[in-house]
Amino acid sequence: SYELTQPPSVSVSPGQTARITCSGDALPKQYAYWYQQKPGQAPVLVIYKDSERPSGIPERFSGSSSGTTGTLTISGVQAEDEADYYCQSADSSGTYVVFGGGTKLTVL
Amino acid sequence: QVQLQESGPGLVKPSETLSLTCTVSGGSISSYYWSWIRQPPGKGLEWIGYIYYSGSTNYNPSLKSRVTISVDTSKNQFSLKLSSVTAADTAVYYCARDRMVVTPGSWYFDLWGRGTLVTVSS
Repeated sequence: SYELTQPPSVSVSPGQTARITCSGDALPKQYAYWYQQKPGQAPVLVIYKDSERPSGIPERFSGSSSGTTGTLTISGVQAEDEADYYCQSADSSGTYVVFGGGTKLTVL
Repeated sequence: QVQLQESGPGLVKPSETLSLTCTVSGGSISSYYWSWIRQPPGKGLEWIGYIYYSGSTNYNPSLKSRVTISVDTSKNQFSLKLSSVTAADTAVYYCARDRMVVTPGSWYFDLWGRGTLVTVSS
């Protein structure tokens, strides 16, 4: 079955830039999507189609994709950005979708 | 604005069938795809399957033999049934609205319910 791989954790100081990666063999063909999940809450979409930002999501959230790796970048990290982040994509044939294992972002 | 609300028993016995309903309020269930997604305590997210308002479905291959998703457009609801449950099915179950991407063929989730915890235990 298809898998997406994320680092378990990323730590940054306030005001710095956080980068969270997501690796998958089908990413050259499929878009990556990103969700933020805070404790006890449902996930929230922060990036869709690799780099598009939904309305209401701060501009400091951006996304990119190159080859088999998608990247979520949070510029000028704030304390409120501390959360788990999940990438999501589809298998190469678009039959089903999977999530990465999640990355816990810690703001030091 | 559109809101989703999951409902159903919070405790299910092993080998029985888990049944949940998602009610869509503030908008119509028509013209969209709708998914169930689950998250075991302390773990990651797993897509279970989706249904179109017309009734067509697509399930995660790893769960396909045990899953049935149905829709009731008159009530603006869709439902999940998961049979032969075990402790491994203990999770927070979310319903979500899908946004389809025609090319290259994928979808994502732009609206989520708050989730409901289902525990499988005797």
